[in-house]
Amino acid sequence: KAGVTQTPRYLIKTRGQQVTLSCSPISGHRSVSWYQQTPGQGLQFLFEYFSETQRNKGNFPGRFSGRQFSNSRSEMNVSTLELGDSALYLCASSTGGRYGYTFGSGTRLTVV
Amino acid sequence: QQPVQSPQAVILREGEDAVINCSSSKALYSVHWYRQKHGEAPVFLMILLKGGEQKGHEKISASFNEKKQQSSLYLTASQLSYSGTYFCGTVGSGNTPLVFGKGTRLSVIA
Repeated sequence: KAGVTQTPRYLIKTRGQQVTLSCSPISGHRSVSWYQQTPGQGLQFLFEYFSETQRNKGNFPGRFSGRQFSNSRSEMNVSTLELGDSALYLCASSTGGRYGYTFGSGTRLTVV
Repeated sequence: QQPVQSPQAVILREGEDAVINCSSSKALYSVHWYRQKHGEAPVFLMILLKGGEQKGHEKISASFNEKKQQSSLYLTASQLSYSGTYFCGTVGSGNTPLVFGKGTRLSVIA
């Protein structure tokens, strides 16, 4: 059974640019969540999607957006990148509230 | 609202026991526990649902006190492979997301 796949693994972008990250959940998992991980802040919740609907959104500026497609694949977009957006972005999928999440390996974003 | 974990870090010798605590200020539906090794993704350990149950996973177990909105992770007879950062995650009542504490760094030394 394939795990959660995130692409790309690494990205280097310049301030002001935008970036799109992709996440393919485990087959059959309809819930996809995104987290930003930084050394000082731990895992910060970004978004949660279920069946193409954004169910929850974390406390991040509007530059952060996301969506989920009918095949449960999800993308998140960050526009007008800032240096502080440098982080590991993790995607996790689940079958529902009574089950654990499976995380992907993440996308390491560096903004210069 | 982010749960609070304690301690922030702990160093153990092989064979020693440890307890990691997680508390929330809101009513909880579930508590999750994950372990993340350096350079890797977090790995799910267990989930505790509303009801105050205790669960076990090899020599790692956890409890959930629903009334106090607290959970504890118990690591017994620690092994070198237990080293990593442990995160608790909580889901509140209603359609709320899984949010994580800042983690507890556990180091097991020989």
